[in-house]
Amino acid sequence: QSVLTQPPSASGTPGQRVTISCSGSSSNIGSNYVYWYQQLPGTAPKLLIYRNNQRPSGVPDRFSGPKSGTSASLAISGLRSEDEADYYCVAWDDSLSVPVFGGGTKLTVL
Amino acid sequence: EVQLVQSGAEVKKPGESLKISCKGYGYSFTTYWIGWVRQMPGKGLEWMGIIFPSDSDTRYSPSFQGQVTISADKSTSTAYLQWSSLKASDTAIYYCARIEDYGAPLMDVWGTGTTVSVSS
Repeated sequence: QSVLTQPPSASGTPGQRVTISCSGSSSNIGSNYVYWYQQLPGTAPKLLIYRNNQRPSGVPDRFSGPKSGTSASLAISGLRSEDEADYYCVAWDDSLSVPVFGGGTKLTVL
Repeated sequence: EVQLVQSGAEVKKPGESLKISCKGYGYSFTTYWIGWVRQMPGKGLEWMGIIFPSDSDTRYSPSFQGQVTISADKSTSTAYLQWSSLKASDTAIYYCARIEDYGAPLMDVWGTGTTVSVSS
């Protein structure tokens, strides 16, 4: 059972906008930054969004990460086939004193 | 180029010991933390622990405390993850990742992962 809650799956067609939710609590998302990682099939995770809504160099602006209260979302606009991957949200937890992960969301591009 | 290079896949029997490595290139190894993340077959990512190679300050996730040992050798820019007695349930891919600040899980560089298979 993951501390952060994500839907196990999401899907969309090319060009669509999809959002993936991440729900936590006051000890993690509610008081700390949220980070998103993308894991393409058979590869290591890659930093996608940091400090709630910042994109590392090279990550297209189709990816954004709004946060509100104890929940966060990853929004992907202009969906492309290469976006098909697993997505994980992560936040520091003040009570556990460790980073906590969501269970991951498998995004399928139909 | 900044990269973390992990050791190769391992096939072990239950009860055996194992030490896998993660070597940093292209940056000052002692100014970043190194974290370890487990991914069991078909499952999500799990935080195991973190080390600051400069002084070997190490913090473990409660789930992994006592189950593994994290260490580092700053002279060779290498971090390690070791087991004294493997179990079948340790079968997983283990990733190391570079982290700037303890308390902020911004893992900007990842190793390619080490696959550990434990079976009798």
